[in-house]
Amino acid sequence: DIVMTQSPDSLAVSLGERATINCKSSQSVLYSLNNKNFLAWYQQKPGQPPKLLISWASTRESGVPDRFSGSGSGTDFTLTISSLQAEDVAVYYCQQYLSTRTFGQGTKVEIK
Amino acid sequence: QVQLQESGPGLVKPSETLSLICTVSGGSISGYYWSWIRQPPGKGLEWIGHIYYSGSTNYNPSLKSRVFISVDASKSQFSLNLYSVTAADTAVYYCAREGVDFWSGYSGPWGQGTLVTVSS
Repeated sequence: DIVMTQSPDSLAVSLGERATINCKSSQSVLYSLNNKNFLAWYQQKPGQPPKLLISWASTRESGVPDRFSGSGSGTDFTLTISSLQAEDVAVYYCQQYLSTRTFGQGTKVEIK
Repeated sequence: QVQLQESGPGLVKPSETLSLICTVSGGSISGYYWSWIRQPPGKGLEWIGHIYYSGSTNYNPSLKSRVFISVDASKSQFSLNLYSVTAADTAVYYCAREGVDFWSGYSGPWGQGTLVTVSS
């Protein structure tokens, strides 16, 4: 199994400031034949199901604000919220889908 | 837009079978993979498995011996059976849509989820 490890487990950021979440996979999720990273990011607000934010490591889903961006390749990935808004308080998960599907443990984002 | 709704018993006895149905509305079940994902209370997400609309399946290796997923395209439904459950299977169970091919394994949209408690 590919193990996904996120850091930090939680972070508190002031409104309008940048939030950065890291995700590391135990083996590369870059598929050489198509040069794509099989990595997604989700947002889960309390009492709600997860919502897909980003696929293929950096492709934002339709309707997702452009303050959310994904980057990285191979084994190291980052989700950045460029200017934190109150509605961004949530738990964020990374997921690899190269070999079955596994999720990171989640990162809780709060307002400082 | 596509909506998914889980249904089934909220309480299952240990050693029995957990059975859930996901009903898809607002779009076709054809052409996509459909998945089950669970989340124990206060914990993270675990992918259980998925099924293509035509019936081919893939399961999480850690659950493979106890899981069966089926589809009834005529009813726009797919189902989860988890056998020989224990308290460790207590979780919110979500159904979700994956992509049009096996490699597009990201999930969205998701159902609202249903809490299943395993207890005598």
